[in-house]
Formats: sequence, C-alpha cells, structure tokens
Amino acid sequence: AQSVTQPDIHITVSEGASLELRCNYSYGATPYLFWYVQSPGQGLQLLLKYFSGDTLVQGIKGFEAEFKRSQSSFNLRKPSVHWSDAAEYFCAVAPYSSASKIIFGSGTRLSIRP
Amino acid sequence: DTAVSQTPKYLVTQMGNDKSIKCEQNLGHDTMYWYKQDSKKFLKIMFSYNNKELIINETVPNRFSPKSPDKAHLNLHINSLELGDSAVYFCASSKLAGGNSSYNEQFFGPGTRLTVL
Repeated sequence: AQSVTQPDIHITVSEGASLELRCNYSYGATPYLFWYVQSPGQGLQLLLKYFSGDTLVQGIKGFEAEFKRSQSSFNLRKPSVHWSDAAEYFCAVAPYSSASKIIFGSGTRLSIRP
Repeated sequence: DTAVSQTPKYLVTQMGNDKSIKCEQNLGHDTMYWYKQDSKKFLKIMFSYNNKELIINETVPNRFSPKSPDKAHLNLHINSLELGDSAVYFCASSKLAGGNSSYNEQFFGPGTRLTVL
C-alpha cells in the first residue's frame, strides 16, 4: 500500500533562513507527488507537483522540491522563508492508476522565528 | 469570489444527532471530493463524485452519505453522530478526474469543523 512519511512534526526556522521539509513515500512505482500548504483556518493549496521529467520542480511562493528516486524522497525547499510561510505543509502521493485518489502525509508545522 | 465554499464553518452538536454539511463550487468542475482531517491533522479522502456519480468510496461508516444534487454541489449527511466523528471536513473539486495518468488539481474549501459532544 502507498504511504507517505513526514518525519518532522514541527520545525521552527528564523525569518530569512533556508528551509527544507522532508518527505518519503512508499510505492511500487513512481507515483504523482505533491506538496500542499494549509494556512491556519484555511483549506489546502497546491504548492507544486511532480509527474515526470525534470526532478527539480518549481512551485508557487518561491518553493521548490526535488524528487530522488533512489531515496524515495520528495523534499520541499525554500532558500529564504518569510513570516507568511508559517503554516502546515503536507506531502502527498497519488498512484498513476487513480490520480485523483491522493494520500496525504501527516503534515509538518512550520513556525517562523522573527 | 469563493471558488469552493462550505457551510457551516463550525458545527457543534450532540451525539446521536443527524447533521449535514454543504459544499458548492463555482469553478465549473465535474469532480468533487470529501476529506476528513482528524485531530492529529491526518487528512484522508472519504468520497469522490464525477458528474454526480460516486467514483471513490473509502472505508467510511454508512452513517456518512454524500449527496450530489448537481455537479456544483456535494453535500455530506451524517446520521447518528459519534464522538469520533469530530474532525475538520474538507470539500474539494477538480476538473473531470479521468483514468490512467490523468490528474487535475484539486481546489479545497475552507473546511467545516465538526464537534460532537
């Protein structure tokens, strides 16, 4: 069965510092991979997605993620965080056979230190 | 303009009651979804409808019944509410969800926080 692991429950970084949120997935083949952001009291917004091709994908709000097949990872990065980036971040996968059936990780809460 | 809207935003009710959560999207999408987010932020799909037809039905108690009067609406009715039903319920929509290698971005509503006392 597919699964997604986000090992960090809560991360705090200083404003202006770089960020990396970890995500590992378990699946027999390369699935669709996503990162979503959930701001307090809001629904989820898609940051970026990977289907195939270039393993470094660019998303909105200055985020990027790199797919590493050998490590079954899809880590999210941002070179310089802003206070407005404080939110919950979810990594997710979906199989090619049912791309709408998204499986979410447990989320990483990002706090920004002024 | 709100793309995916849900009502109510908060719902507090007693165990055993029956309640409904409404969802509407004005994006012209054909596929709508219901997700449940528990207290640990774990988010899991419950149902998905394509043009009013059920296409995904995860292991959800049959006390939960989605109803789609038209493709712009997907309501969630819950019978005999239990304490464990307390969660945030998210509605989402996308363009028509197809077969293999077909993905369309899902747009999420703001959520409905259900508290069962």
